[in-house]
Amino acid sequence: QQQVKQSPQSLIVQKGGISIINCAYENTAFDYFPWYQQFPGKGPALLIAIRPDVSEKKEGRFTISFNKSAKQFSLHIMDSQPGDSATYFCAADLTGGGNKLTFGTGTQLKVEL
Amino acid sequence: NAGVTQTPKFQVLKTGQSMTLQCAQDMNHNSMYWYRQDPGMGLRLIYYSASEGTTDKGEVPNGYNVSRLNKREFSLRLESAAPSQTSVYFCASSGTGRQTQYFGPGTRLLVL
Repeated sequence: QQQVKQSPQSLIVQKGGISIINCAYENTAFDYFPWYQQFPGKGPALLIAIRPDVSEKKEGRFTISFNKSAKQFSLHIMDSQPGDSATYFCAADLTGGGNKLTFGTGTQLKVEL
Repeated sequence: NAGVTQTPKFQVLKTGQSMTLQCAQDMNHNSMYWYRQDPGMGLRLIYYSASEGTTDKGEVPNGYNVSRLNKREFSLRLESAAPSQTSVYFCASSGTGRQTQYFGPGTRLLVL
């Protein structure tokens, strides 16, 4: 049972463009939404995270937009660079869930020159 | 600090063989996790340990056992490996509460 649905599965963006990855969830008890970045042959690493009391969080070129009523959140990468080429996972944790994350299926991003 | 370390990096098993995947962290974290990563499936939690001496099942625990040996170490055991357990296994650790999970480099397991 996939509780966090992620799209697209893969994405190709030109250098300098905007990369957008979307996630949707059903369980309204989710209250913490991190994004992880994974390079080939490496473990995932936290990129940015948001809680549902804010609609947007920005860290450098990376922004999470959160729509609580639609139960959707998205990652925007501005001015995408070849070094951003990686797999991105959204995730969610339940209230009182003890930090046990439910991950989306991942988006493989390639930024071309 | 090495962070989260995993051994071995790669392993080939025959169906029915057993093995233990080792994980250690040097960040004094209370919580540790085992995930498996399969193409198109994302990361799925196998087991986790909220603190030394406690373990609990995650989303896909069948066919696995774990041991939280001490605060630093959390091992994952496959008693009788099956081809369906071919995957990349990641160990992670975090502090108490909503802390960042730090992942190890992974163990690639092939079961023939």
